[in-house]
Amino acid sequence: KAGVTQTPRYLIKTRGQQVTLSCSPISGHRSVSWYQQTPGQGLQFLFEYFSETQRNKGNFPGRFSGRQFSNSRSEMNVSTLELGDSALYLCASSFGQGDEKLFFGSGTQLSVL
Amino acid sequence: GENVEQHPSTLSVQEGDSAVIKCTYSDSASNYFPWYKQELGKGPQLIIDIRSNVGEKKDQRIAVTLNKTAKHFSLHITETQPEDSAVYFCAAPPFSSNTGKLIFGQGTTLQVKP
Repeated sequence: KAGVTQTPRYLIKTRGQQVTLSCSPISGHRSVSWYQQTPGQGLQFLFEYFSETQRNKGNFPGRFSGRQFSNSRSEMNVSTLELGDSALYLCASSFGQGDEKLFFGSGTQLSVL
Repeated sequence: GENVEQHPSTLSVQEGDSAVIKCTYSDSASNYFPWYKQELGKGPQLIIDIRSNVGEKKDQRIAVTLNKTAKHFSLHITETQPEDSAVYFCAAPPFSSNTGKLIFGQGTTLQVKP
């Protein structure tokens, strides 16, 4: 069974631009969570989607948004990029909404110049 | 507030020695405690987990122990090998939902010297 797939692996953007990251969960998994990982802050929760609905949201500004499609694939978008948005963005899938066992992708490394 | 504290932040051992990483959690209702290993350039990989109805779980050279009274759980790696070198994260379910399904410790960088 294929794991969680995130694209692209690397992105370089400039301040003010926007970016869209993609995540394909493990086949059969319907819950997708997004995390931001930085050296100073560790793993910070962004949001969680299940059945195309955002179920939970972390303490990030409204510039961070996401969505989930009917096939459980998910995208997250960051608008008006800031230097501080440089981070590894990780997607994790789990079987159901109540399932805490998370399986992570390799992440998208975003650099904002 | 709720959090998961992880110690130490860095750990260096000789190949063949044992390594122990400890985490404490604040929510006494937590009942699921996973450990993740993150190698350079990869996402965190689930290596072992334990539920609160057991005190210990082993899988070959790794084991996790749980002390619910003291609210801490530990990862034990025996006979360490250079390929065990990585960052290890503990996690636990949070009380509030705005931290997601799991709240993570700050990570331990394990270096195994050959």
